Amino acid sequence: DAKTTQPTSMDCAEGRAANLPCNHSTISGNEYVYWYRQIHSQGPQYIIHGLKNNETNEMASLIITEDRKSSTLILPHATLRDTAVYYCIVRTHNAGNMLTFGGGTRLMVKP
Amino acid sequence: DGGITQSPKYLFRKEGQNVTLSCEQNLNHDAMYWYRQDPGQGLRLIYYSQIVNDFQKGDIAEGYSVSREKKESFPLTVTSAQKNPTAFYLCASSIGPRSHEQYFGPGTRLTVT
Repeated sequence: DAKTTQPTSMDCAEGRAANLPCNHSTISGNEYVYWYRQIHSQGPQYIIHGLKNNETNEMASLIITEDRKSSTLILPHATLRDTAVYYCIVRTHNAGNMLTFGGGTRLMVKP
Repeated sequence: DGGITQSPKYLFRKEGQNVTLSCEQNLNHDAMYWYRQDPGQGLRLIYYSQIVNDFQKGDIAEGYSVSREKKESFPLTVTSAQKNPTAFYLCASSIGPRSHEQYFGPGTRLTVT
């Protein structure tokens, strides 16, 4: 599976959009981009995934560049409860469904 | 409520003792997973099971054992052979081996002294 690079930490003001970047320059054509988040001392929570097209659900939007070498997770109106570590993961759909978690981005939403 | 339960939330053991961590799901999921997380690190896969009575080693299986005798249960035993067992252990499940989303339990924090 391709490797991902994320900033170690980011801050965001409450009520503003949080834009979390992820670089995956070695992504191959059959690899998906997944985002999970982990609130302190809890299990990770699935947020969203995508292959080529931008995706949106009730939690967030995922913007994937045309060359697929990077993506951005957007939380449109961040709240204090969105403070968490956000993991960007790239993997094929057939990889035994194993997820490889890197260090992630620690997002701090501030009042 | 459907979900994954892990018990206990905190577990303390003496060095040299085997300990079994519980993971139960009532989501009717075929696939189940065990991950380990060390402070400030991401998750690492220990074992996974795609179907009952079958399981495979993940990236860091040494010193651990599992069983999958029932669809809803996937217990993890941390043996005395595991050199650094103190960690946060997370169990997850998914509908099947090819599904996109994994559901995680609340985790068990194991401390071995």
